[in-house]
Amino acid sequence: DTGVSQDPRHKITKRGQNVTFRCDPISEHNRLYWYRQTLGQGPEFLTYFQNEAQLEKSRLLSDRFSAERPKGSFSTLEIQRTEQGDSAMYLCASSLATGTGFRGYTFGSGTRLTVV
Amino acid sequence: AQSVSQHNHHVILSEAASLELGCNYSYGGTVNLFWYVQYPGQHLQLLLKYFSGDPLVKGIKGFEAEFIKSKFSFNLRKPSVQWSDTAEYFCAVSAGNQFYFGTGTSLTVIP
Repeated sequence: DTGVSQDPRHKITKRGQNVTFRCDPISEHNRLYWYRQTLGQGPEFLTYFQNEAQLEKSRLLSDRFSAERPKGSFSTLEIQRTEQGDSAMYLCASSLATGTGFRGYTFGSGTRLTVV
Repeated sequence: AQSVSQHNHHVILSEAASLELGCNYSYGGTVNLFWYVQYPGQHLQLLLKYFSGDPLVKGIKGFEAEFIKSKFSFNLRKPSVQWSDTAEYFCAVSAGNQFYFGTGTSLTVIP
């Protein structure tokens, strides 16, 4: 499978625990995005990387959220001290941005987080 | 602020009926436009996209969309829906480095 891979598919955690998700993008894609999707809503932008540089982070994102892409390949999203409101589907997407512009995303299957 | 509006939250159609899902955006500059589909239990998939040229764009599975710049719209259409089209449909706009999604339209096709 050469698509975007996310791990784990499902995560149930107790409130206050830390969780970490992983995303492996399409290998030739230089951009990687994290989105959060809750029921009845469109994907909500969290952050994105171009190669290893984190270029933008949503102002709506709590300081409890952090993301890394250390070698410009896979990325991790960590949520510290989880809250019930963090329960959502966390989507990763990658794209190839070139001088001719943006060509859309390829999404992963997502990680569904449930905080109990 | 940029936004994407999908006016129909939930649409129910019988098989063979025609479909049109509305999408309007607010952004004055150059945009790229997309429709994504999410089938039950699956991830988001690209249905079709518009960058430039012919404003009538054809996508997969018989879907098409028309970009009307004067109306800031990019409506999705299909002449005859099938039960397998039951899914969530998201309109999206890219402007600069950002991507903006609508809230989605849930389509249920009754056999």
